[in-house]
Amino acid sequence: QVQLQQWGAGLLKPSETLSLTCAVYGGSLSTNYWSWIRQSPGKGLEWIGEISHVGRTNYNPSLKSRVTMSVDTSKNQFSLTLSSVTAADTAVYYCGRVRFTTSRLYYFDYWGQGTLVTASS
Amino acid sequence: DIQMTQSPSSLSASVGDRVTITCRASQSISIYLNWYQQKPGKAPKVLIYGASSLQSGVPSRFSGSGSGTDFTLTISSLQPEDFATYYCQQSYSTLPITFGQGTRLEIK
Repeated sequence: QVQLQQWGAGLLKPSETLSLTCAVYGGSLSTNYWSWIRQSPGKGLEWIGEISHVGRTNYNPSLKSRVTMSVDTSKNQFSLTLSSVTAADTAVYYCGRVRFTTSRLYYFDYWGQGTLVTASS
Repeated sequence: DIQMTQSPSSLSASVGDRVTITCRASQSISIYLNWYQQKPGKAPKVLIYGASSLQSGVPSRFSGSGSGTDFTLTISSLQPEDFATYYCQQSYSTLPITFGQGTRLEIK
């Protein structure tokens, strides 16, 4: 059974950098893409981007200038950084596994527990 | 971006009721539509992928249909554990992936 466990700082000041890590248990990073999604009351669920085990990334164009994702296959972990946060970045952040089928269907089948990140002065 | 619009935004129903939630895409997305259930304080859980395929372990009272721009999620007989918020998500265009705004299903 695949499990995702995530962690990172929960309280930031505006202009600081958000940093979160997600560890994968019961599965290998090498078999899927891995994603970050956030959820705020104002914007609902928002896809941030995804990364493969070799570090290939795709980012949401609305966040691309501030997002960096990385992967550490030796630790079976992947990470998210979001620079220059503002109050608008306050949200619950989730990591998730992308399931991509042979018929090109794409969905999130495993999720982390979520981390509330608050950007406030 | 492809916009996903769900209706209704909230819904009250009773145990045993048949419930239908609708999701409309701003352009045709074929069958690249998934449904999730989310309970308070928890991550979303996938119910249906590819518009109509039931995810492993999900009860058969959940079903999905549709293609193109209009999709439905149906719960054939509501159970107490089904009261939650439901989201649709499109994967036709992955840059970016987009979600509906959610439908909150409450106990009548």
